[in-house]
Amino acid sequence: EAGVVQSPRYKIIEKKQPVAFWCNPISGHNTLYWYLQNLGQGPELLIRYENEEAVDDSQLPKDRFSAERLKGVDSTLKIQPAELGDSAVYLCASSPGVAWNTGELFFGEGSRLTVL
Amino acid sequence: AQTVTQSQPEMSVQEAETVTLSCTYDTSESNYYLFWYKQPPSRQMILVIRQEAYKQQNATENRFSVNFQKAAKSFSLKISDSQLGDTAMYFCAFMRGGGADGLTFGKGTHLIIQP
Repeated sequence: EAGVVQSPRYKIIEKKQPVAFWCNPISGHNTLYWYLQNLGQGPELLIRYENEEAVDDSQLPKDRFSAERLKGVDSTLKIQPAELGDSAVYLCASSPGVAWNTGELFFGEGSRLTVL
Repeated sequence: AQTVTQSQPEMSVQEAETVTLSCTYDTSESNYYLFWYKQPPSRQMILVIRQEAYKQQNATENRFSVNFQKAAKSFSLKISDSQLGDTAMYFCAFMRGGGADGLTFGKGTHLIIQP
């Protein structure tokens, strides 16, 4: 069974440019998470989806960040315009759903963004 | 809100030794789960071990075990017979019961196993 797939693995852009990250969760997983991981830090939740609904986006900087999960499967996280401080790893994770009470999340390998 | 604190930014031990990573947390919840995740240099997070707060028995997974002290809000990870492949970042994480909020992570401990 395929795991969580993210692309691109690496992205280098100039500041003020747009960037987008894509995530395909494990098949059948209703819950999808985007996490931000700064260097030397633990991941921090940006947004959580239950199917196509964003049920927790309180930590998403909405002035420049946006996300969508239109059909409740794969998801895209966008930054426009990017700032130097956005350099980080963007992790996607999925789980079967709210009823999944073991708590395990399945993570992708992440997308490392460098803003110059 | 929950907080997770890992006070050891980096630890280094020799292969085959036993090492203990520390974690404390703060919550007012009574139903929750605690986790240790491993993040090797490839960056994919992998679950190492999980503990349900309502269980008094400490979880064990092969060479990995935890010391869960609920009253002290402490959740340490012990790795026995450490191996070179154990070299990674280790994150302690908290989840409220029901799993709806996702995970709250600590800052991590970089564990280095020396040959």
